[in-house]
Amino acid sequence: QKEVEQNSGPLSVPEGAIASLNCTYSDRGSQSFFWYRQYSGKSPELIMFIYSNGDKEDGRFTAQLNKASQYVSLLIRDSQPSDSATYLCAVIGEGGTSYGKLTFGQGTILTVHP
Amino acid sequence: GAVVSQHPSWVICKSGTSVKIECRSLDFQATTMFWYRQFPKQSLMLMATSNEGSKATYEQGVEKDKFLINHASLTLSTLTVTSAHPEDSSFYICSAGGGLFDTQYFGPGTRLTVL
Repeated sequence: QKEVEQNSGPLSVPEGAIASLNCTYSDRGSQSFFWYRQYSGKSPELIMFIYSNGDKEDGRFTAQLNKASQYVSLLIRDSQPSDSATYLCAVIGEGGTSYGKLTFGQGTILTVHP
Repeated sequence: GAVVSQHPSWVICKSGTSVKIECRSLDFQATTMFWYRQFPKQSLMLMATSNEGSKATYEQGVEKDKFLINHASLTLSTLTVTSAHPEDSSFYICSAGGGLFDTQYFGPGTRLTVL
């Protein structure tokens, strides 16, 4: 089992719809979770980080964390074509050789079509 | 959000030469910086972790003598690709931050092409 897994893509949604991106992680002790967006040929850009169970909203983006289920999600409301990118779920390592390092999921490619 | 810069944004060099890439945190002090490499259509691969004032920690399989990392201050880390070869051509990205509950902010990346 991979340490961080994202729902298989690609994901295609119409403009104005809600895009739902999901991520599960294997280390139950994980505390810090991040969503990055990466456009083709560019570096990752931080969208949201979440540490506590529940929802965290920032504009059109909502991150949801359920530590009991080891599940993180990102909702994008009113999706725009400019949201088309690869979305990376990442978890900070808590101990050992992974301490402080990001472990990424494989990424989900999102396409928002007009 | 925090801003991380990289210089140069792209570089073309001849095989056998060395290339230095700079990573700067512009508006915050980063005790830890990370260097990644990404090949086309592949995931980010962590190369090394760099802490200010100490030696970098390299990931398994990364040649420390080929990829020299220096983290001389809280705002600057450099990666030098020594004796570059065409297989070193890649997108090199740094991030700054790190540590528990610290968020990593990525630089814009440096595209290296070795002829």
